[in-house]
Amino acid sequence: DADVTQTPRNRITKTGKRIMLECSQTKGHDRMYWYRQDPGLGLQLIYYSFDVKDINKGEISDGYSVSRQAQAKFSLSLESAIPNQTALYFCATSDSKTASWNTEAFFGQGTRLTVV
Amino acid sequence: QKEVEQDPGPLSVPEGAIVSLNCTYSNSAFQYFMWYRQYSRKGPELLMYTYSSGNKEDGRFTAQVDKSSKYISLFIRDSQPSDSATYLCAMSGSAGNMLTFGGGTRLMVKP
Repeated sequence: DADVTQTPRNRITKTGKRIMLECSQTKGHDRMYWYRQDPGLGLQLIYYSFDVKDINKGEISDGYSVSRQAQAKFSLSLESAIPNQTALYFCATSDSKTASWNTEAFFGQGTRLTVV
Repeated sequence: QKEVEQDPGPLSVPEGAIVSLNCTYSNSAFQYFMWYRQYSRKGPELLMYTYSSGNKEDGRFTAQVDKSSKYISLFIRDSQPSDSATYLCAMSGSAGNMLTFGGGTRLMVKP
């Protein structure tokens, strides 16, 4: 089983609908992240959480919200989906207790979201 | 202008060629420089990282950082079809900074 699991893997939704993307991890890491990937734009940080009670906006948080339900679970919501939110979404984790906390993030398989 | 710039490619080379992938950046606070590899329909995985300036070698892969020019490179020797993927550079500063990614370069190595 994957250490970082995202559900669903693919989703098509209509404009205006609320949608939630879920992420769970078995790595025991304290830090979790949501990224969006668009062709040629790389990975853009949406939200990040250093622990259950610490949630922070990233560079492109408008139109998104998150919930850290437990150390292992971090969900991303689109309150009212719009077509330009069509993208590949990745959840990632890192461990603040290791020397590689700011160099290595572990990514899930991604969720391909299409808003029509 | 983005903080980290990377040519999107695609870059197509024959098997066995030496590949050079590059990124430029504007933030002089970056101290850690990473290369992630992303296969199709997969999440990125860390390939290697370098702290500050200099070179680092790992098998067929060599990472170079030139902080004076704000320029980093990844060289792949004896490239293989299995190296076909998107390569993303990423950077971070000292404690507390998030990873900043380049746009990625798609590499195709043809048999």
